[in-house]
Amino acid sequence: EADIYQTPRYLVIGTGKKITLECSQTMGHDKMYWYQQDPGMELHLIHYSYGVNSTEKGDLSSESTVSRIRTEHFPLTLESARPSHTSQYLCASRATGQERTDTQYFGPGTRLTVL
Amino acid sequence: DQQVKQNSPSLSVQEGRISILNCDYTNSMFDYFLWYKKYPAEGPTFLISISSIKDKNEDGRFTVFLNKSAKHLSLHIVPSQPGDSAVYFCAAVAGNTPLVFGKGTRLSVIA
Repeated sequence: EADIYQTPRYLVIGTGKKITLECSQTMGHDKMYWYQQDPGMELHLIHYSYGVNSTEKGDLSSESTVSRIRTEHFPLTLESARPSHTSQYLCASRATGQERTDTQYFGPGTRLTVL
Repeated sequence: DQQVKQNSPSLSVQEGRISILNCDYTNSMFDYFLWYKKYPAEGPTFLISISSIKDKNEDGRFTVFLNKSAKHLSLHIVPSQPGDSAVYFCAAVAGNTPLVFGKGTRLSVIA
């Protein structure tokens, strides 16, 4: 069972609002990731982090920003939400290990709808 | 250029029969491969993985086969059950770089 949590699970907001999607994991994993997925579509990596104070942009350009001040916490922020940001946002984490058993675990996701 | 390809967008299988989901990759540096299952409005769930030093890994009804020379892996589910109906993602990783995912295959198990 993966110990990775996302809140809120569902969010409906109006255009122009600032929002923060929360992601926390209790597994002590160094690496954390944010993906965006539209229904029936592929997973797109938008941000990742290799540890505290480390953040990188992913393959898909995103207007969101992330921070990694604590190992267990990797929030994603949208300063001004737009309808084009409507999507499912998935957080994941993975350990840094010597063995090739570094399974990546996902949170339950946040379904964001911007009106 | 897509490094991990799942060429079948969908697959239908009768309950009790074998489901075979395929995945091809192009990057020879990939050394670890994973399969995930995803239901709508939920996060992907890890199913099974395999290291590049192996050619088979089995866990209950799920078996993953790796053919490194062909750069091909497959997930076998037997027997298939209606609850297996979901989207299955293949993923590959090289070292500590982010996982690379395929586009997914939607499996429908028909009772």
